[in-house]
Amino acid sequence: QVQLQQSGPGLVKPSQTLSLTCAISGDSVSTNSVSWNWIRQSPSRGLEWLGRTYYRSKWFFDYAVSVKSRISINSDTSKNQFSLQLDSVTPEDTAVYYCARGDCSISSCYIDYWGQGTLVTVSS
Amino acid sequence: DIVMTQSPDSLAVSLGERATINCKSSQSVLYSSTNKNYLAWYQQKPGQPPKLLIHWASTRESGVPDRFSGSGSGTDFTLTISSLQADDVAVYYCQQYYNTPITFGQGTRLEI
Repeated sequence: QVQLQQSGPGLVKPSQTLSLTCAISGDSVSTNSVSWNWIRQSPSRGLEWLGRTYYRSKWFFDYAVSVKSRISINSDTSKNQFSLQLDSVTPEDTAVYYCARGDCSISSCYIDYWGQGTLVTVSS
Repeated sequence: DIVMTQSPDSLAVSLGERATINCKSSQSVLYSSTNKNYLAWYQQKPGQPPKLLIHWASTRESGVPDRFSGSGSGTDFTLTISSLQADDVAVYYCQQYYNTPITFGQGTRLEI
């Protein structure tokens, strides 16, 4: 059974960096047939996919255009986890953030496991 | 980006009755080489992450009751709950994974 455990602060000041980590159990971050995603949810934007990383003999990264200049997703094979960094946050980045696993056919992946969610509020 | 549009936005159904939720994509999510529709359905209850119900448009996830079914192809899809139970009260989302960015519908709130 795959489990994803999120950690990170729930309050971030404007212009600072939002950082979240997702620890994986029951799978490996370098499994060839899956992807590791960050998705956020807010009343104004609904469910919004932010980006993913996946391993296919080397690491690949895809990011949503809306955050591409500010986002970084990294994997840590030694700790079996992946992380999100979102720079220069504004109050519009306030949302519940989820990490999630994608079950993939080549690079097309449906989301089958989700973390518990972290409410991140951007406020001074 | 592929835009996913659900209808209705909210739906009230009596216990034991059928509930039908529609989802339309702005372009086809049927991949010709695999003949599969890259469409999933999720259920979300308050305070919880979404839960995968159906993928490939009609393949029910293990453990999902068989009263849930998915149908459709190309750009038009339907989630049907054949006999509504109290536990089915939730918001339902469709999602395409034909290409990135993966995109979700706006959600349909199902009430009794």
